[in-house]
Amino acid sequence: QQQVKQSPQSLIVQKGGISIINCAYENTAFDYFPWYQQFPGKGPALLIAIRPDVSEKKEGRFTISFNKSAKQFSLHIMDSQPGDSATYFCAARPGGGSNYKLTFGKGTLLTVNP
Amino acid sequence: GAGVSQTPSNKVTEKGKYVELRCDPISGHTALYWYRQSLGQGPEFLIYFQGTGAADDSGLPNDRFFAVRPEGSVSTLKIQRTERGDSAVYLCASSSASGANVLTFGAGSRLTVL
Repeated sequence: QQQVKQSPQSLIVQKGGISIINCAYENTAFDYFPWYQQFPGKGPALLIAIRPDVSEKKEGRFTISFNKSAKQFSLHIMDSQPGDSATYFCAARPGGGSNYKLTFGKGTLLTVNP
Repeated sequence: GAGVSQTPSNKVTEKGKYVELRCDPISGHTALYWYRQSLGQGPEFLIYFQGTGAADDSGLPNDRFFAVRPEGSVSTLKIQRTERGDSAVYLCASSSASGANVLTFGAGSRLTVL
């Protein structure tokens, strides 16, 4: 059972455009939702994260939108740049005693064309 | 060190052989995690250490997999009787405490079982 579903699998955007990646989750015990960025040959790096008590969080060109009732969240990358080309993973983590265990989506390969 | 260090970066072995993958976390980080990333997939949780003890090994796929962290710092993931299906990138991460929001991942050890 895939607990975090991510789409699209791949995405091509022109420089300056908006990249949008969507995730949906099933487990209502999740209470922390990070996004990770991974470049080839590197480990995932935390990009931005949100908790379900807010509907939006913005850091620079990166914004997370969160819809608790729909159990969905998305990453928006404004003014996309070629340097943003990477694989992006959404993830979710429960609260309580298992608050160390991240469940990842399958990833989205983003290509930003110059 | 400045980041999480994993060795070897690449390991090619034959089916049935034994392998060890090493993780050197960020100095002072008490929590250590192993994840496995198969081709085209997101990382999947394997095991979590708090200090020297394995607090949760529920993600280990079977009893051929074992991990240790004897002094609460360096960890070794051990795989016996390797199978072709074990081929993946094994990622290690560390954090300052259990439940910490920021996990720092290493670049991973790519294991190929022929």
